[in-house]
Amino acid sequence: DGGITQSPKYLFRKEGQNVTLSCEQNLNHDAMYWYRQDPGQGLRLIYYSQIVNDFQKGDIAEGYSVSREKKESFPLTVTSAQKNPTAFYLCASSIPGTGNTEAFFGQGTRLTVV
Amino acid sequence: DQQVKQNSPSLSVQEGRISILNCDYTNSMFDYFLWYKKYPAEGPTFLISISSIKDKNEDGRFTVFLNKSAKHLSLHIVPSQPGDSAVYFCAARGWGGGSQGNLIFGKGTKLSVKP
Repeated sequence: DGGITQSPKYLFRKEGQNVTLSCEQNLNHDAMYWYRQDPGQGLRLIYYSQIVNDFQKGDIAEGYSVSREKKESFPLTVTSAQKNPTAFYLCASSIPGTGNTEAFFGQGTRLTVV
Repeated sequence: DQQVKQNSPSLSVQEGRISILNCDYTNSMFDYFLWYKKYPAEGPTFLISISSIKDKNEDGRFTVFLNKSAKHLSLHIVPSQPGDSAVYFCAARGWGGGSQGNLIFGKGTKLSVKP
């Protein structure tokens, strides 16, 4: 079955630590995205990548970093510089730049800073 | 400044009646609009979409209407069922590569369908 897999589903982090969220897709999509969901805030774009070895900042990239070494994988690192990291993180993929296609989402990772 | 606005945070409807969820946008370069449904602690799932060259798209109980002159779209669910209870996100994107092709989401509307 094709889809997007995010792991882990729940993640706890101590303040001051970096943590990496995994996102893997087997849909053969070139574009991948990371969103963050906070209560009452909708989905806000953190980073996106239109092609392997290239990525761009979204609206709220500060305190985050990504890599795109393989088409299938787009891991997100939440660094200690992110001031309010507790949130629900969603990864998505799509066919880039062709208009009439939807993005497919993973099941999300809930990160809690303790 | 929000480019996609869902001004109603919540909506409560009786089972069997119509649910109407509204969405407004400000960017005239948007040419494709989508609705996603989201349950708690899960990723959004695609529901229905509409291209800017159309004013209506229907899929079973779900119909999306687009009014380009008013920069407004709406999702109609008829008849509403308790399983429709979820948060609905409106999203829009422009044509082309780069950031124009990214989905811009509204803040969502929480729909509650009461038996």
